[in-house]
Amino acid sequence: GDSVTQMEGPVTLSEEAFLTINCTYTATGYPSLFWYVQYPGEGLQLLLKATKADDKGSNKGFEATYRKETTSFHLEKGSVQVSDSAVYFCALSVNRGDYKLSFGAGTTVTVRA
Amino acid sequence: DAGITQSPRHKVTETGTPVTLRCHQTENHRYMYWYRQDPGHGLRLIHYSYGVKDTDKGEVSDGYSVSRSKTEDFLLTLESATSSQTSVYFCAISESSGGSNEQFFGPGTRLTVL
Repeated sequence: GDSVTQMEGPVTLSEEAFLTINCTYTATGYPSLFWYVQYPGEGLQLLLKATKADDKGSNKGFEATYRKETTSFHLEKGSVQVSDSAVYFCALSVNRGDYKLSFGAGTTVTVRA
Repeated sequence: DAGITQSPRHKVTETGTPVTLRCHQTENHRYMYWYRQDPGHGLRLIHYSYGVKDTDKGEVSDGYSVSRSKTEDFLLTLESATSSQTSVYFCAISESSGGSNEQFFGPGTRLTVL
């Protein structure tokens, strides 16, 4: 079956530090890959996505590249801010007509001023 | 923001009682999903719907049922709540768009079963 494994947290960083969260996947077929972010007390929001190999998704200073050879989609940001404190979820979806998502366990990131 | 609301937002109930959670959308999206979020598990799919009266099970469907009588509403029912169903429940919607499978999430319902 489809599955996502992401780096366990929690991760604590200082402001302006470099952030990377590792994500690897297993899927039959060719998945689309996503990073979702959940701010405290809120639902999930799409942060970025990539739909085919070598695509790079980017948004709000975050980037992730779809690496088919390593089945990975690592999230990076060069300089984090306190407002980036959140839970980050890696997810995949294989287009079988139902558009279901498989999620990783989530990584809690705390950025200190 | 996608027009998705969930009700109630918080609920405390006792073991053995029935509970119904409602998801309402104003986007006319075809697909709707119910997830539960638990620490260490991320989000896990309970049930989903691919149209009015068309539903299917997800990976953690035991103890839950759903109904979708209108495009805009997707109900999740716990027939007899148990403490293991204490969780945060999220509804999501999606519309097929050239193969992009993006889902939009509601604000969540925090359910506590005592």
